[in-house]
Amino acid sequence: DADVTQTPRNRITKTGKRIMLECSQTKGHDRMYWYRQDPGLGLRLIYYSFDVKDINKGEISDGYSVSRQAQAKFSLSLESAIPNQTALYFCATSDTRTGTGYNEQFFGPGTRLTVL
Amino acid sequence: GENVEQHPSTLSVQEGDSAVIKCTYSDSASNYFPWYKQELGKRPQLIIDIRSNVGEKKDQRIAVTLNKTAKHFSLHITETQPEDSAVYFCAASGYGAGSYQLTFGKGTKLSVIP
Repeated sequence: DADVTQTPRNRITKTGKRIMLECSQTKGHDRMYWYRQDPGLGLRLIYYSFDVKDINKGEISDGYSVSRQAQAKFSLSLESAIPNQTALYFCATSDTRTGTGYNEQFFGPGTRLTVL
Repeated sequence: GENVEQHPSTLSVQEGDSAVIKCTYSDSASNYFPWYKQELGKRPQLIIDIRSNVGEKKDQRIAVTLNKTAKHFSLHITETQPEDSAVYFCAASGYGAGSYQLTFGKGTKLSVIP
């Protein structure tokens, strides 16, 4: 089945280290998103991309960067990780080809990141 | 930008009872309102959505209502079962080319007590 995958699933790192989280999808969707989930705060948008040439900041982009290497791949980087970036990170995709105009999103399994 | 408020943050019901989760939104241009369910340790998954041209939508034990005038929408789960225990998120979005993002509520943890 077409899916959204994330690597790694779990990562423990130290303050100041550079970290990359990767997302791949076989759904053929054009739009990709990175969210952060913290207990009691819901899902907050970090970055989103319409295609490989289009990157947009979301609600909480400070301290993060992204790269859309191909339609199917969207990576999130923490240039210098800090403890308050400890969270569960989700990648998501959506498809504008359906023509409905509505933005149903499909989530990956998540990456649990701990910054010590 | 859009702001979505969700209540309650936690909800406990007896098995077989109904559960209602309510959300309000701020942007009157929003016209797509999905609900996602996230089971423990799993990814969020869409369970139902409603578009602004309808006031209510049902799918078996789940229903969603929308009041565009008041800018609020609600999720109703009837005859709750233990497998309904999860965190539920509401969200709001615009339409078409402008519908590039969903704004989520902070979630409701539903516990169904057997």
